[in-house]
Amino acid sequence: DAGITQSPRHKVTETGTPVTLRCHQTENHRYMYWYRQDPGHGLRLIHYSYGVKDTDKGEVSDGYSVSRSKTEDFLLTLESATSSQTSVYFCAISEGGGYTDTQYFGPGTRLTVL
Amino acid sequence: AQTVTQSQPEMSVQEAETVTLSCTYDTSESNYYLFWYKQPPSRQMILVIRQEAYKQQNATENRFSVNFQKAAKSFSLKISDSQLGDTAMYFCAFMNRGGSQGNLIFGKGTKLSVKP
Repeated sequence: DAGITQSPRHKVTETGTPVTLRCHQTENHRYMYWYRQDPGHGLRLIHYSYGVKDTDKGEVSDGYSVSRSKTEDFLLTLESATSSQTSVYFCAISEGGGYTDTQYFGPGTRLTVL
Repeated sequence: AQTVTQSQPEMSVQEAETVTLSCTYDTSESNYYLFWYKQPPSRQMILVIRQEAYKQQNATENRFSVNFQKAAKSFSLKISDSQLGDTAMYFCAFMNRGGSQGNLIFGKGTKLSVKP
């Protein structure tokens, strides 16, 4: 157990509304990641963070923003949700101090955009 | 760009038998990790096993072992003495240790059903 929680675990929202997903970790890991999982695609990286206020884009970052004001929290925001953002979202941490250490995942958030 | 291919969308195995899941990858990098993750119906992503590319010895974790063929870019997972709790989606993943992101590149997964 890497001490990762995600909230909410499930959310249904309407197109055009803003949505924020939270990832919280208790073990002071430096690197944190947001992935999305869609049928037929495995998991794909949205954004990642390498420290407080240090973030960068991943493979599928369009339509998403992130923030990290504290080591323990990494927020993913959909400024104006679209149906194509219906997905399961996973947060992950990198176990050691480096970004190429093994990643452990949170329990996921299922987001439905109507 | 790296890619990961899992050619078996679904597989089934009888309880107590052995099953092998296939994974191939494409990369020009020499320093990387390979992983197998398990995703049971609970949706939690669980690390099964990790292989460092520079190690020739195949990784093992209890009933799980890999066959890592670096030249062939193949990384299969063998599950021995299959148990009902092994029923899950299994994802193969690649990480370039020389990259700037450290992100995982996943295959599309293999759905494994263990039958009693």
